[in-house]
Amino acid sequence: GENVEQHPSTLSVQEGDSAVIKCTYSDSASNYFPWYKQELGKRPQLIIDIRSNVGEKKDQRIAVTLNKTAKHFSLHITETQPEDSAVYFCAASSNYKLTFGKGTLLTVNP
Amino acid sequence: NAGVTQTPKFQVLKTGQSMTLQCAQDMNHNSMYWYRQDPGMGLRLIYYSASEGTTDKGEVPNGYNVSRLNKREFSLRLESAAPSQTSVYFCASSEVGGFNQPQHFGDGTRLSIL
Repeated sequence: GENVEQHPSTLSVQEGDSAVIKCTYSDSASNYFPWYKQELGKRPQLIIDIRSNVGEKKDQRIAVTLNKTAKHFSLHITETQPEDSAVYFCAASSNYKLTFGKGTLLTVNP
Repeated sequence: NAGVTQTPKFQVLKTGQSMTLQCAQDMNHNSMYWYRQDPGMGLRLIYYSASEGTTDKGEVPNGYNVSRLNKREFSLRLESAAPSQTSVYFCASSEVGGFNQPQHFGDGTRLSIL
């Protein structure tokens, strides 16, 4: 079955710096890679996703890159703000299963 | 639109008690899912319903049952609660079947089993 590894488990940055979270997956059939943000006590919310036919996708300060050959994908947040502080989850999906990473706690210090 | 609505938000049960967690979506989505979230474990799929009238087991189905009551509603039942089922439960929905579609989550039910 699919195994998704996410690193780091915690990340602390200064406001305005960039943050990068990395994930690896094991199933070469995976073709959809969403990222979710979960603030403390709140629901997970989709912030960006990428499909296997695309190498990079951007949405304002957020970008995701995918390397199918190496089976890894990354979330990049630029110009971080205190409101970016949350737990971020990556996930990898085939048609039959969505597997989540264990999450990264991002803290943005003012 | 409310999106995905879960009830109750909090519940405390004693070991052996039963209860049903309710979930409803108003986005006319076909697929619905139940996850549990435990510290350090991410989200794990309990059961899902690809479309009205179908349900399938996920990664951790033992101790749970589900009912897809209609297109809008998908309930999760604990027949005999155990302390290991203490968790936060999230319901989610997606527009079409298959796991390669965006999923929209409810606010969760925080369940404690004593």
